[in-house]
Amino acid sequence: GAGVSQSPSNKVTEKGKDVELRCDPISGHTALYWYRQSLGQGLEFLIYFQGNSAPDKSGLPSDRFSAERTGGSVSTLTIQRTQQEDSAVYLCASSFDSGGADTQYFGPGTRLTVL
Amino acid sequence: TQLLEQSPQFLSIQEGENLTVYCNSSSVFSSLQWYRQEPGEGPVLLVTVVTGGEVKKLKRLTFQFGDARKDSSLHITAAQPGDTGLYLCAGNINTNAGKSTFGDGTTLTVKP
Repeated sequence: GAGVSQSPSNKVTEKGKDVELRCDPISGHTALYWYRQSLGQGLEFLIYFQGNSAPDKSGLPSDRFSAERTGGSVSTLTIQRTQQEDSAVYLCASSFDSGGADTQYFGPGTRLTVL
Repeated sequence: TQLLEQSPQFLSIQEGENLTVYCNSSSVFSSLQWYRQEPGEGPVLLVTVVTGGEVKKLKRLTFQFGDARKDSSLHITAAQPGDTGLYLCAGNINTNAGKSTFGDGTTLTVKP
């Protein structure tokens, strides 16, 4: 079956512009996560959606970052007024449930470069 | 302060050698996962450990969860070039919390 897909795979933008990153989770997965990864480093948690519950936004670095999940499926991460320090790979993952030990399946990521 | 400390940060070895990478914390985790990530791809789960003292084997990879559930190790026997990648550990503190905390990873290079 299809895995987690993300688009675009690469995005180059100018400082100050807004960007939208999309994530299509695995069908039937109720939990969806966004992470940010700098080159060769670990993952920084951004936001987590679980079913119809209020999302956990505790990892969003500033109010320029926001995310939505429509219909419990597709999610969009929006970064407004991008800054050079926003450059990173943005990874999305989904899991069947949020029981802590559930396997998270990751997409290939979107590489964002802010010039 | 990094909740999960991984060491070493970088490791370069010859094919056939053994190696161990570590994941340490002062916090107790309800579960801990190990992932491997290759360039241009997302992390792929290798194993999840949930019981203190648990040992899991996956072919040439042996994973151990510390008795106190604060640390873990990954041992690779007879490393191969295909083992090259970024190894990440991630932990969940609360049983019902979906958010995982990731370490900064160990970059492993196995030379033929």
